[in-house]
Formats: sequence, structure tokens, C-alpha cells
Amino acid sequence: EAGVVQSPRYKIIEKKQPVAFWCNPISGHNTLYWYRQNLGQGPELLIRYENEEAVDDSQLPKDRFSAERLKGVDSTLKIQPAELGDSAVYLCASSRDSYNEQFFGPGTRLTVL
Amino acid sequence: DQQVKQNSPSLSVQEGRISILNCDYTNSMFDYFLWYKKYPAEGPTFLISISSIKDKNEDGRFTVFLNKSAKHLSLHIVPSQPGDSAVYFCAASGGRTDSWGKLQFGAGTQVVVTP
Repeated sequence: EAGVVQSPRYKIIEKKQPVAFWCNPISGHNTLYWYRQNLGQGPELLIRYENEEAVDDSQLPKDRFSAERLKGVDSTLKIQPAELGDSAVYLCASSRDSYNEQFFGPGTRLTVL
Repeated sequence: DQQVKQNSPSLSVQEGRISILNCDYTNSMFDYFLWYKKYPAEGPTFLISISSIKDKNEDGRFTVFLNKSAKHLSLHIVPSQPGDSAVYFCAASGGRTDSWGKLQFGAGTQVVVTP
């Protein structure tokens, strides 16, 4: 079974530029999560999808962050414009549903200069 | 507000000995607890979990203990092996129906197993 796929793995951009991350969850997993992990900290949930619906986006900074999960499969997370403080690893995870184990992708390491 | 805390950022243990990782939480509504293991440049992988109706769960060399009254859990690895060198995250969830799936993570403990 293929795991959660994320791209790109690394991204370096200048502040005020836009950036997008892509995630392909494990086949058959209805729930998809985006986390942000700052250096020396644990992952923090940004948004959770049940199929196409964002059921928890309370931690997503909506002034600059947006996400979508069209057709309930792949998802993209976008930052526009990026700020220095957005430098972090962005992790995508999926699970069969909210009550099951979450499987994480390798993450995208974002550096904002 | 950090609801899950791992106060030891690092742990060094000799191969073959026991590794004990600790985790404290503040939210008494948490009822499901997990440990994840993370190697560099990889995402966290699930290791073991425990629900609040239990006080112990074992899986091979890994045992998780839960003390609800103290809001404390620990992970024991016996015996420790070099491949166990990684960052270990404690996570918790639950309490409300809409909180299922919303994992709160600790900051992690870096374990180094020496020969």
C-alpha cells in the first residue's frame, strides 16, 4: 500500500511570495489533515477534511492560508503571501476516518527568506 | 496553550537497557493517547496507543502506561536497540465528538541509543 505522498519535499522562497503544497492521501482514506511543525515542536493541526468538507479549520490563519480538497482525494495548502514566520515543515496525514490511526507523509520543509 | 508536555527534550540510553519516556497533559477530557516515532526527513509513524479505560498497553518491546489521576503517561522500550534512535512524540485527543482526530502533540523527546 502506497503511503501519503507530498510534494515538493523542500521549498525555498522569499517573503511575500506565494507557495503551494500538494498531498495525495492513502487510497480509501476519507479524512485528511494538514499540520505545521515548527523547529523543536510537535505538529500542530491546521485543518482537517472529511471527504471534501473542512470540518475543523479553527487553527488555519485564514488571512493568508487557504486549502482545498477537490473530489475528496488530493489536497493543496496555499500560503499567500508567505512571511518569515511561516518557515516550518508542513505535514499531511490521512486516516480511514477520524476515529482511526493517522498516517503521515514525509512533509514539505518550507524556508522563507 | 500547550496541553501535552514532554519535559525531557533528549534521552541517551545504552543498547539493551530500558528507555523511559514521559508525557504529561493538562486537559482532563483527553481520553485517547498515542506515541509516534519520527526519523529525520520522514513523517511521524504510529507506534502504540492507549485509551483512558486502560492503564497499560503492550506491543512487543513497547509498553505504554497511563496514570489518569496524575495526567501522566509513559512509554517503556525494553530492550532498547540502535534502530530506536529517533524523536518520540506523545499525542492526545478526545473529550468532544468534534475533537476526535484532533491530535495535540508534545514537543518530542530525542532518543539516542548508544552501543
